[in-house]
Amino acid sequence: ILNVEQSPQSLHVQEGDSTNFTCSFPSSNFYALHWYRWETAKSPEALFVMTLNGDEKKKGRISATLNTKEGYSYLYIKGSQPEDSATYLCASSNTGGFKTIFGAGTRLFVKA
Amino acid sequence: DVKVTQSSRYLVKRTGEKVFLECVQDMDHENMFWYRQDPGLGLRLIYFSYDVKMKEKGDIPEGYSVSREKKERFSLILESASTNQTSMYLCASSPEGVGYTFGSGTRLTVV
Repeated sequence: ILNVEQSPQSLHVQEGDSTNFTCSFPSSNFYALHWYRWETAKSPEALFVMTLNGDEKKKGRISATLNTKEGYSYLYIKGSQPEDSATYLCASSNTGGFKTIFGAGTRLFVKA
Repeated sequence: DVKVTQSSRYLVKRTGEKVFLECVQDMDHENMFWYRQDPGLGLRLIYFSYDVKMKEKGDIPEGYSVSREKKERFSLILESASTNQTSMYLCASSPEGVGYTFGSGTRLTVV
């Protein structure tokens, strides 16, 4: 994998549903994996930065896991709320941190 | 509250105009970045700077230049705007190249 790929491209869920997205990234020269939430008309907001294989991070109802050997990360949202509606961006940085590749994002719509 | 501020939220410019997009950060970060975002594509790096007066080309620098005369300010310049430069432009800063703080973006339309 040469690029960062996110799936699905978009997702519609009902309030209360739990959901997850996938980010695939190049595993060679890996340094860090970031997740951002980008709400319409706002700045992308950092959720997690992960560096170690097997890392799991949690922030409220949102959590993320990292597998650097196979080059993927999952983002989980438990009990989705309408305010979770946003684009979730994944980015992978290589050693040194200056070469960061962003995925195209997963657009989440949570219906009340 | 730390901030990256982009001077304009929306801009409409004519083909051939010289366009300046300004970005200011108040976090004393060494590293600053300019990205553009187009539908279906990830953020693509145009230019970045790791110090005052230093700049490095990103993945898509053609048609753009940058200026960093002061640590807190990083300007993106479209020398002669073209319609294919219609896009959302995001500025970001970072203390170490990982973990960005983004501005709210400038949506530029070139007509």
